[in-house]
Amino acid sequence: SQTIHQWPATLVQPVGSPLSLECTVEGTSNPNLYWYRQAAGRGLQLLFYSVGIGQISSEVPQNLSASRPQDRQFILSSKKLLLSDSGFYLCAWSANRGPNTEAFFGQGTRLTVV
Amino acid sequence: AQSVAQPEDQVNVAEGNPLTVKCTYSVSGNPYLFWYVQYPNRGLQFLLKYITGDNLVKGSYGFEAEFNKSQTSFHLKKPSALVSDSALYFCAVRDQTGANNLFFGTGTRLTVIP
Repeated sequence: SQTIHQWPATLVQPVGSPLSLECTVEGTSNPNLYWYRQAAGRGLQLLFYSVGIGQISSEVPQNLSASRPQDRQFILSSKKLLLSDSGFYLCAWSANRGPNTEAFFGQGTRLTVV
Repeated sequence: AQSVAQPEDQVNVAEGNPLTVKCTYSVSGNPYLFWYVQYPNRGLQFLLKYITGDNLVKGSYGFEAEFNKSQTSFHLKKPSALVSDSALYFCAVRDQTGANNLFFGTGTRLTVIP
């Protein structure tokens, strides 16, 4: 069966420090991968998505970047964190089988920038 | 562009009573609709998805969703609410281009009162 791992679960970082959040998927190949941010425990904002290795699309311009160095690995990064980067970050994957395919989410990373 | 709306931020229901969490959609073409649930500080869990031709879709944990094309709605329902159903519920729609990204409503917090 497929599983998705996301770490760390919580992170407290000072303003201006770098960030690296990692997400890996097991049990599938060539998944679509997504990074979402959830602010204030409410709506989810799609940040990045990837349909293949090295292929990254950004939904919103911001202080963050994403990379996909391997088929089942998706990394969210920042060179210098801002206070406004605080939030709950969620990685997700779905099979590359068209629009009627559900996505599966990791457990999330609670990032607090201080 | 595809979008969904959840008109209620909060829904309260007594334990044992039926519950409904509302969602309306706006899509061009066929609708690809999903419901997810989120417990505190956790990732989203898939509940169910719309299957073309089925106006009543059954999902996990006794939940079901009623699709109504004329009202462009996809309401989540359960005949008898449990206290453990208290959580944040999200309706979502798939974009039908590119990576078929999943876009979420703003969420509805369901509280089941003992």
